[in-house]
Amino acid sequence: EPEVTQTPSHQVTQMGQEVILRCVPISNHLYFYWYRQILGQKVEFLVSFYNNEISEKSEIFDDQFSVERPDGSNFTLKIRSTKLEDSAMYFCASSGTGSDTQYFGPGTRLTVL
Amino acid sequence: QKEVEQDPGPLSVPEGAIVSLNCTYSNSAFQYFMWYRQYSRKGPELLMYTYSSGNKEDGRFTAQVDKSSKYISLFIRDSQPSDSATYLCAMSAANQAGTALIFGKGTTLSVSS
Repeated sequence: EPEVTQTPSHQVTQMGQEVILRCVPISNHLYFYWYRQILGQKVEFLVSFYNNEISEKSEIFDDQFSVERPDGSNFTLKIRSTKLEDSAMYFCASSGTGSDTQYFGPGTRLTVL
Repeated sequence: QKEVEQDPGPLSVPEGAIVSLNCTYSNSAFQYFMWYRQYSRKGPELLMYTYSSGNKEDGRFTAQVDKSSKYISLFIRDSQPSDSATYLCAMSAANQAGTALIFGKGTTLSVSS
């Protein structure tokens, strides 16, 4: 069964550093998403992406964040100048055209020291 | 304003019990409702999707929506130890790809054998 994959599973970085989280969505899906879950809190929407453009973004997704589809298979979330409060699980998801069913990857645990 | 409320539990039941999980919401724009299951250190996995008031059944799982009360439920019959996980309700205002899902905090369920 096709699934969303994410790398790395755990990323540790120093405050102020840039990190790139990587996702490989399900191959025939065209919509891609990033969510985050701070420990003990809700899963929160960050951004959705379609046709090389941001479709929707939350107020969390400020200038510190950017997304990119650098090639035909990867979807990335870049966090510039990480802060302690960026420590969270980051989930990538994808969905097919015309379907709002979102399939989630296993997540990347980001720890900012 | 907390858009989606969900009792985090934990909820502990014996094997074979009927489990009731609930969410309330305040935004009447929400029209589409989902239940996700999340095992420890994994991404959310879609269990049920519904958009109309009433019941939807899938095996041991029944999703119930009451839009007039802004209340949704997930019932698990004949619960099994493998059902032990965190259950997240999620909802959206539009039935189209690219739309943000708004999650509840999740209820942690433990089923003992």
